[in-house]
Amino acid sequence: DAKTTQPTSMDCAEGRAANLPCNHSTISGNEYVYWYRQIHSQGPQYIIHGLKNNETNEMASLIITEDRKSSTLILPHATLRDTAVYYCIGLEGSNYKLTFGKGTLLTVNP
Amino acid sequence: SAVISQKPSRDICQRGTSLTIQCQVDSQVTMMFWYRQQPGQSLTLIATANQGSEATYESGFVIDKFPISRPNLTFSTLTVSNMSPEDSSIYLCSVDGWLAGGFAYNEQFFGPGTRLTVL
Repeated sequence: DAKTTQPTSMDCAEGRAANLPCNHSTISGNEYVYWYRQIHSQGPQYIIHGLKNNETNEMASLIITEDRKSSTLILPHATLRDTAVYYCIGLEGSNYKLTFGKGTLLTVNP
Repeated sequence: SAVISQKPSRDICQRGTSLTIQCQVDSQVTMMFWYRQQPGQSLTLIATANQGSEATYESGFVIDKFPISRPNLTFSTLTVSNMSPEDSSIYLCSVDGWLAGGFAYNEQFFGPGTRLTVL
């Protein structure tokens, strides 16, 4: 699975959009980009995943560059409850084993 | 989706003893996974437990230390054997392939974790 690189930490003001970047320059053609988050003292939570096209669900939007070497997770209106560690993971479609890196600690400030 | 519970939620154990952690899912799932999260660290996969087959362990983890059972499609246990302080971690189970009209994949759901402290 592709190695991913994320900033260690980011801050965002409440109500503003949070844009979390992820670099995955070695991603292969059949690897999906997954995003999970872990709120303090809880188990990780699935957010979204995509292969080539941009994806949107009730939680977030995922923008994948055309060359698929990077992506951005967008939380459109961040709230204090979105403060968490966000993990970007590259995963082949036939592989269900998640490899968690260090992730990005997003702090949403009032 | 799936609701996952773990027992116990936390425990303090003496070195040399063993602890069995239970993971219960409210619906049938094909795959269950066990992770460890050491203090201040990210999650590391211990093993994959599919019903009807032996658990598959990741590099660095062995069955004698972390025996796993998967007796049916809704339940699994992880035992941490002959514990030492280095085993102090949060242990999490997760599931994929949940039954919702058919088995759906690609979204793992995690339990709340079991916080283990070994003295």
